[in-house]
Amino acid sequence: AQKITQTQPGMFVQEKEAVTLDCTYDTSDPSYGLFWYKQPSSGEMIFLIYQGSYDQQNATEGRYSLNFQKARKSANLVISASQLGDSAMYFCAMREKTSYDKVIFGPGTSLSVIP
Amino acid sequence: GAVVSQHPSWVICKSGTSVKIECRSLDFQATTMFWYRQFPKQSLMLMATSNEGSKATYEQGVEKDKFLINHASLTLSTLTVTSAHPEDSSFYICSARSLGSEQFFGPGTRLTVL
Repeated sequence: AQKITQTQPGMFVQEKEAVTLDCTYDTSDPSYGLFWYKQPSSGEMIFLIYQGSYDQQNATEGRYSLNFQKARKSANLVISASQLGDSAMYFCAMREKTSYDKVIFGPGTSLSVIP
Repeated sequence: GAVVSQHPSWVICKSGTSVKIECRSLDFQATTMFWYRQFPKQSLMLMATSNEGSKATYEQGVEKDKFLINHASLTLSTLTVTSAHPEDSSFYICSARSLGSEQFFGPGTRLTVL
């Protein structure tokens, strides 16, 4: 069964606008972490933001914020003020304590920023 | 953040040959390293987890005799693709973490098997 779902294979956003990339996950482990990574065409995985399952507040890192809704098992990424350099693949990922801290990835969303 | 390197960054080989990919943690000791494979336009799929000094744990469906993983030291893990075939052509990414720390990814190795 798919543990991480990203329902938007591709997204477009106008430069300077905000965009939300969806991620839902499935786990029965009370202790887990959620990540978002960016992968440009070069292939490198760039860490963006992290949310722990016990964190009370939504994580923020600069223009990135994570809309964490624990009861809905949702961890959407919000990018504010989109830039052309934000065009890339975005992956939601999860780490579970009971899975020896392995990080597994969702299918990804391709974001294109339009000038 | 911590630095993880991979060598080579790309490799082209003939079908039937073996290819070794190195993953190094440059400024920290990696107690655990992970190997992922990524086909074009797909996500990263975890292949195996290796802990220093012990045998790797492979994910379901990954042939351990084909993808040999060695984690001989706290800074080096190697993935050897044995008797490579065109269907093994992929982007291989390693990541490394030390106890209690976050996971850091290498830049990836693009393997093309002719």
